[in-house]
Amino acid sequence: SQQGEEDPQALSIQEGENATMNCSYKTSINNLQWYRQNSGRGLVHLILIRSNEREKHSGRLRVTLDTSKKSSSLLITASRAADTASYFCAPNRDDKIIFGKGTRLHILP
Amino acid sequence: GAVVSQHPSWVICKSGTSVKIECRSLDFQATTMFWYRQFPKQSLMLMATSNEGSKATYEQGVEKDKFLINHASLTLSTLTVTSAHPEDSSFYICSARDRGDWADTQYFGPGTRLTVL
Repeated sequence: SQQGEEDPQALSIQEGENATMNCSYKTSINNLQWYRQNSGRGLVHLILIRSNEREKHSGRLRVTLDTSKKSSSLLITASRAADTASYFCAPNRDDKIIFGKGTRLHILP
Repeated sequence: GAVVSQHPSWVICKSGTSVKIECRSLDFQATTMFWYRQFPKQSLMLMATSNEGSKATYEQGVEKDKFLINHASLTLSTLTVTSAHPEDSSFYICSARDRGDWADTQYFGPGTRLTVL
């Protein structure tokens, strides 16, 4: 199994700004997934990037993957109040997902 | 995207009773489901991997006799917390792996909040 480590642990930005969070992992992967969790709720699947992809977009989300550095980043552009949540990365090697502590994102009005 | 449901969404029970939580994949088949537990302000902790038609695989430190898992069909897994105690109060979340998805994406349910009095 794999565990992703998110950085920073907490991030506060003004509404409208871009938010960037990073993920590092230790061994080879097949793909990497990003999830969002609003307080007291389940996880929402945001985006999946395969190991042979370097960048992927979905709406205001941009994910990059650098397998040589074993790292990924999630960029949220033009942040909104509704983006306030915890974000988790999930490096996947066709195995169970072990979650790190996540990044707690807070969008300030 | 694929949908995973959980029932109930919340439950309050007395100490010593057993509680069953259901996890269903609504529009896809899931040979593998996972059960997580989350305490306030903490990350999700994997409890066990549930495989359809076979015994669940539990993570280290998780009591299999206390947390009974049954995965009787390709769309349903159940977690039974037996003889629940206040320390079992937590947020329980399941996920299901969509094998029909080329990437084996894992989709999560909305969670079940258990409070043991």
